[in-house]
Amino acid sequence: EVQLVESGGGLVKPGGSLRLSCAASGFTFSSYSMNWVRQAPGKGLEWVSSISSSSGYINYADSVKGRFTISRDNAKNSLYLQMNSLRAEDTAVYYCVPGFDYWGQGTLVTVSS
Amino acid sequence: DVVMTQSPLSLPVTLGQPASISCRSSQSLVHSDGNTYLNWFQQRPGQSPRRLIYKVSNRDSGVPDRFSGSGSGTDFTLKISRVEAEDVGVYYCMQGTHWPRTFGQGTKVEFK
Repeated sequence: EVQLVESGGGLVKPGGSLRLSCAASGFTFSSYSMNWVRQAPGKGLEWVSSISSSSGYINYADSVKGRFTISRDNAKNSLYLQMNSLRAEDTAVYYCVPGFDYWGQGTLVTVSS
Repeated sequence: DVVMTQSPLSLPVTLGQPASISCRSSQSLVHSDGNTYLNWFQQRPGQSPRRLIYKVSNRDSGVPDRFSGSGSGTDFTLKISRVEAEDVGVYYCMQGTHWPRTFGQGTKVEFK
């Protein structure tokens, strides 16, 4: 059974930082490109970032480029998102999504003073 | 960026009747590898999204066969042959051909 457990969300002040983690199991993590997708409260889905299976290719949405960094550790079956210079508009549930095939429960990030 | 435009944004449905959602892209979604990376996702109230359809018309495992996807180029459709109670929710199309990946605005399916 595929399991995706996102963690690291919480309340942070504007300008602050958070590091999200995603622990994956039940599939061959090292074979999948991995994505972060977010959903602001009551809004639609927004792709944030992708990383290829070997970390050779990385892409970011313009809205987070230069502030967020995606990374992965295939030995630990884990995906990360380092989020710096956070803004109120980054408030959302962040989902870890392998290949867009499976979705976890997400972790809520709230940016507010 | 490729803009994904869904219609309608709200779809009142009747139990047992068919339903259809349109998704149009601002550019062709045919990839240089010959595939068309158009996905459909369902998000039931209070739940995470799940993928229903990938590469235009391929149903994911466990997805009922009342769901079908079709289309090509820039024009795509998700059809539900006979709506059931569990189909209420928001449906999104998403293109995986171009960077950045982009989603449609979502179509809310609810009973009349």
